[in-house]
Amino acid sequence: QVQLLESGPGLVKPSETLSLTCSVSGASISHFYWGWIRQPAGKGLEWIGRIYAGGKTNYTPSLESRVILSEDTSKNQLSLRLTSVTAADTAIYYCARVFRDYFDIWGQGILVTISS
Amino acid sequence: EIVLTQSPATLSLSPGERATLSCRASHSVSTYLAWYQQKPGQAPRLLIFDASHRAAGTPARFSGSGSGTDFTLTISSLEPEDFAVYYCQQRTNRPPLTFGGGTKLEFK
Repeated sequence: QVQLLESGPGLVKPSETLSLTCSVSGASISHFYWGWIRQPAGKGLEWIGRIYAGGKTNYTPSLESRVILSEDTSKNQLSLRLTSVTAADTAIYYCARVFRDYFDIWGQGILVTISS
Repeated sequence: EIVLTQSPATLSLSPGERATLSCRASHSVSTYLAWYQQKPGQAPRLLIFDASHRAAGTPARFSGSGSGTDFTLTISSLEPEDFAVYYCQQRTNRPPLTFGGGTKLEFK
């Protein structure tokens, strides 16, 4: 079955760049759309963006100037980079498979804390 | 950006009771709305898509209805494993995709 696994540093310093990887197994990333969603502790879900069709991307307006989504088809991996992070970027970050612009398969999520 | 408002914020019920959760959109989303269930320490799980279609593995006690700006998730008879947080999410033909703030379904 399709499985997603996020990885990356759990602690990032303010003003630095957050970089996460999502490893996908059981499906080729070339065949689907993929999304990233985040969730601050105890709060709701925020859509970050999506990547599809060989690297096309859409981002939520509030993060568009700081976020880049990319893919590595040779490794079947997705990546998220978020620059100039602040404490407000502390959250659990999820990658997910997109199904009709909903999210039908999710990774377990990774907690990223922004702190010096 | 379309804003989704969920109510109530918390719903206190007992197993066997019927649960009715609401999601209201700031603008029409047609039937492009999904419901997710999230348990503590877990990722969300897709339950309902396109307002009324159950996702694979969703029990029949879960049903969705609505169109335009007003949507409802109904759980006909609560099981102990249904106590969780529920989110709605809309997809119109332009980003951003947005989620509601959630309804916590708790034991009474």
